[in-house]
Amino acid sequence: ETGVTQTPRHLVMGMTNKKSLKCEQHLGHNAMYWYKQSAKKPLELMFVYNFKEQTENNSVPSRFSPECPNSSHLFLHLHTLQPEDSALYLCASSRTDGQNTGELFFGEGSRLTVL
Amino acid sequence: TQLLEQSPQFLSIQEGENLTVYCNSSSVFSSLQWYRQEPGEGPVLLVTVVTGGEVKKLKRLTFQFGDARKDSSLHITAAQPGDTGLYLCAGPTSGTYKYIFGTGTRLKVLA
Repeated sequence: ETGVTQTPRHLVMGMTNKKSLKCEQHLGHNAMYWYKQSAKKPLELMFVYNFKEQTENNSVPSRFSPECPNSSHLFLHLHTLQPEDSALYLCASSRTDGQNTGELFFGEGSRLTVL
Repeated sequence: TQLLEQSPQFLSIQEGENLTVYCNSSSVFSSLQWYRQEPGEGPVLLVTVVTGGEVKKLKRLTFQFGDARKDSSLHITAAQPGDTGLYLCAGPTSGTYKYIFGTGTRLKVLA
């Protein structure tokens, strides 16, 4: 079993649908992240949660709504998305001992296609 | 704004050749990581460099952190098809848990 599990692996949705991406980490980490990976663009940080508290919202449109009920689970709720939101959405986790420690451990990603 | 620029962007080489990938910034980082990502998968950590001037080796891969902690390089000796993938450098920004990633180097090693 991998340390960070994402579901679903693939998702196709219309612009009026509402769906959610789920991430679960089994590593005992306290920080969780959502990244967006589009073709020809660097990985873009979307949200960061540390001990369930959101510490970063990188100017993400409100059609993306994160939820972190505990340190092991992270969701990304999607609604009224646009075709340009099609991308690979990666979840990651890390330890945060002090301010800037801990490597990122990624899930395999959820490939989202918006029609 | 801290940025990480990688070069080259694409690299296609024959098996057995050597190559070097660069990661550069105008900002100082407390550490830098290198990841490899294969198609359909998430990035996997290869190494973390912390000390300026540090050199780390992982089999045929050699990683170096610049003395001023603004740049890093990855050298692969005798590349193999299994080295094919997207290589990403990443680093934490000051005072946050925000990790930014470089632009990536897509490597293809031909048998």
